[in-house]
Amino acid sequence: DTGVSQNPRHKITKRGQNVTFRCDPISEHNRLYWYRQTLGQGPEFLTYFQNEAQLEKSRLLSDRFSAERPKGSFSTLEIQRTEQGDSAMYLCASSAGQGELAANIQYFGAGTRLSVL
Amino acid sequence: QKEVEQDPGPLSVPEGAIVSLNCTYSNSAFQYFMWYRQYSRKGPELLMYTYSSGNKEDGRFTAQVDKSSKYISLFIRDSQPSDSATYLCVEWSNYKLTFGKGTLLTVNP
Repeated sequence: DTGVSQNPRHKITKRGQNVTFRCDPISEHNRLYWYRQTLGQGPEFLTYFQNEAQLEKSRLLSDRFSAERPKGSFSTLEIQRTEQGDSAMYLCASSAGQGELAANIQYFGAGTRLSVL
Repeated sequence: QKEVEQDPGPLSVPEGAIVSLNCTYSNSAFQYFMWYRQYSRKGPELLMYTYSSGNKEDGRFTAQVDKSSKYISLFIRDSQPSDSATYLCVEWSNYKLTFGKGTLLTVNP
């Protein structure tokens, strides 16, 4: 296992369509995170999972967004009825567990770049 | 006010220069600070982290935290063209990372 894997790398869609992204974390990492990054900005936290449980959602995550992590392995992020403002890089990260920082470094995937036309 | 403020640059320096990147933060409860590096079209990767005031050195990189003034710095010695990237100042609280905007650095050969 070489790291966090995200697919697709780039998604172009028309406004109003639904899109789904997938994230495969590093094996045996029980925490998984989603962030969104727009041009010229740092990533912003969206949500995170501990195993299969979604423990927090940012207010940035509107009702059109849903994330799942069935069986505590890979995760999907779905955006329904996409809007042009959803255009961004969606980043996934994973970490080994809880506790002190050294045991919980977040490793990022390369991201999925969404373009909504 | 954003919780982590960072000068977005861009910053352009010649190869071999010493680079200084700076951030300020507003939340006194912040305890752990990190620097991530992000190359174009890639995800961020961790460079260094620290949780106390003072300096931490790793090769050509030195991270400095001053909690009394809420100021965070990253110094790069003998900068190389391969250091050209966006540098993100980050605060870690339990599970969540709070990022600054990032500073785009270009090191010219």
